[in-house]
Amino acid sequence: GAVVSQHPSRVICKSGTSVKIECRSLDFQATTMFWYRQFPKQSLMLMATSNEGSKATYEQGVEKDKFLINHASLTLSTLTVTSAHPEDSSFYICSALGTADNSPLHFGNGTRLTVT
Amino acid sequence: QKEVEQNSGPLSVPEGAIASLNCTYSDRGSQSFFWYRQYSGKSPELIMSIYSNGDKEDGRFTAQLNKASQYVSLLIRDSQPSDSATYLCAVSPNAGNMLTFGGGTRLMVKP
Repeated sequence: GAVVSQHPSRVICKSGTSVKIECRSLDFQATTMFWYRQFPKQSLMLMATSNEGSKATYEQGVEKDKFLINHASLTLSTLTVTSAHPEDSSFYICSALGTADNSPLHFGNGTRLTVT
Repeated sequence: QKEVEQNSGPLSVPEGAIASLNCTYSDRGSQSFFWYRQYSGKSPELIMSIYSNGDKEDGRFTAQLNKASQYVSLLIRDSQPSDSATYLCAVSPNAGNMLTFGGGTRLMVKP
């Protein structure tokens, strides 16, 4: 079945540094990828929708200059958390949507970010 | 108002029982419906999809869709402790494949 690879699975960084998270669709082309954030014991929160070749669409309250999204190809989207702070510590999950109608959404394994 | 509603739970059932998870949605034009399972600290994994009214069975899982009443449910037969997780209902509001997630129902299966 369709596979979405997300890397790294876990990262610890110091406050003020930037972290890049990669999301790849391995056996299908994904014109649209989604980035979610999930805090402990809370539901998935959609951060942004990433469309190949165009600017990402951010949800209300998500700072586009802090969470940089690049979707340069049909199989790769990246999320960069810039100038990370402890409150950015969370579980970040990407997902990818195939091009066929009724394609299900497939998730990457997630990235646990801890900012110290 | 949320577009996709789920009871947050926890729903507690004994091992071997049937677990029934429900989801309602507000957009009558919704076309596709999915159930995802999420273990604590892990990302969601797709377990069922359903697109037309009626039942769809896959192993111990049965998805039920009633578009007239705008609800979709998931039945888990012979529940196992390993089924303990949060179950997310997801609905595609239109043929453009954008998904809206419910808040999830936490299921606990007790041995």
